[in-house]
Amino acid sequence: DSGVTQTPKHLITATGQRVTLRCSPRSGDLSVYWYQQSLDQGLQFLIHYYNGEERAKGNILERFSAQQFPDLHSELNLSSLELGDSALYFCASSPRTATNEKLFFGSGTQLSVL
Amino acid sequence: AQSVAQPEDQVNVAEGNPLTVKCTYSVSGNPYLFWYVQYPNRGLQFLLKYITGDNLVKGSYGFEAEFNKSQTSFHLKKPSALVSDSALYFCAVREWPSGAGSYQLTFGKGTKLSVIP
Repeated sequence: DSGVTQTPKHLITATGQRVTLRCSPRSGDLSVYWYQQSLDQGLQFLIHYYNGEERAKGNILERFSAQQFPDLHSELNLSSLELGDSALYFCASSPRTATNEKLFFGSGTQLSVL
Repeated sequence: AQSVAQPEDQVNVAEGNPLTVKCTYSVSGNPYLFWYVQYPNRGLQFLLKYITGDNLVKGSYGFEAEFNKSQTSFHLKKPSALVSDSALYFCAVREWPSGAGSYQLTFGKGTKLSVIP
């Protein structure tokens, strides 16, 4: 168990809808990262938050947004969903932002857009 | 921009034989290199990392990796494969010193390792 909790584990929704994925980092970790995993694109970095502030953006669509709350949990909001958004979404955490830190991954949220 | 290539989608090896999973990287500066493993229906787990120093890095579950700067490679190895090693393996790179605010860890597409009994 990595100590990173993601909910829900599975999410089935329809095109055009909006969903929220939740991540609780390991106790004491200040950084939260979101990744999208799909068969064709592999693991794509979406966004990084550190202690409530956005630090880096990757290949995140404008329809997607995220935030990190004062208790350090994070939410990834996906709106106007399309079939191509179906993927496994991972959250990871690390203690700070040092580039030599390893990431601790949650078990992911499997999103299916029908 | 940093990037990682894992040239093999799948590697098959017999149990007890040595295994190698290949990885090459591209960065402008210096690399921090990582290997992660993903078992079915699980998140990624850290195996090992190269920061600096000895080019041979030892990690979890008997795995090791060799950093080769001239070939920009970081291949994952294990002397004797186990059936339980069957999983998806990801190589990842971070560049240092980082640009302001950018701590992105870039992953390869993954290599599926199958260890045959």
